[in-house]
Amino acid sequence: RKEVEQDPGPFNVPEGATVAFNCTYSNSASQSFFWYRQDCRKEPKLLMSVYSSGNEDGRFTAQLNRASQYISLLIRDSKLSDSATYLCVVEGGTASKLTFGTGTRLQVTL
Amino acid sequence: DTEVTQTPKHLVMGMTNKKSLKCEQHMGHRAMYWYKQKAKKPPELMFVYSYEKLSINESVPSRFSPECPNSSLLNLHLHALQPEDSALYLCASSPGRATDTQYFGPGTRLTVL
Repeated sequence: RKEVEQDPGPFNVPEGATVAFNCTYSNSASQSFFWYRQDCRKEPKLLMSVYSSGNEDGRFTAQLNRASQYISLLIRDSKLSDSATYLCVVEGGTASKLTFGTGTRLQVTL
Repeated sequence: DTEVTQTPKHLVMGMTNKKSLKCEQHMGHRAMYWYKQKAKKPPELMFVYSYEKLSINESVPSRFSPECPNSSLLNLHLHALQPEDSALYLCASSPGRATDTQYFGPGTRLTVL
């Protein structure tokens, strides 16, 4: 099993739609979780950290399910500008580093 | 200001050249990183410096040589690279631990001829 797994997509959704991505991780000792967004030919940018209690930032909601070892990202009322690759990032447990998933590509269309 | 700067933005070099990539942050962060990213792949960790000491080397070939002159600067010295080393090289920093939120610079797009 890969350390961090994501569906690569692409997810093609119309503007205004709600879309959800899941990401599974293999190390049960992981403590830190993040979603980053990466636009084409740009650097990854932090979208949000993921907390045990879940967290929301505007149209974006992140959840952590430790029992099933996955994190999720929900985007409501999608905008064209949300088109990007969303990277799931998980602490590597004892390795003391972050591990990146392969990313999920989102394309929002008119 | 969560800014990490990198120079140059683009670099083309031959396989016999020696060049350096530079990274700078003024956020007071004590951990800095080099990542390599190929097209349509996630960033791949190369090196971690923590409090100016090399703490992680992900079995990177010796033709890549990192240097951390002080807590704000990180260099990556390149020598005798191969065409397959062509990629986007990203620098990142985080407050202290390697598992804190990391902030990325815009990257250097490297082409090895």
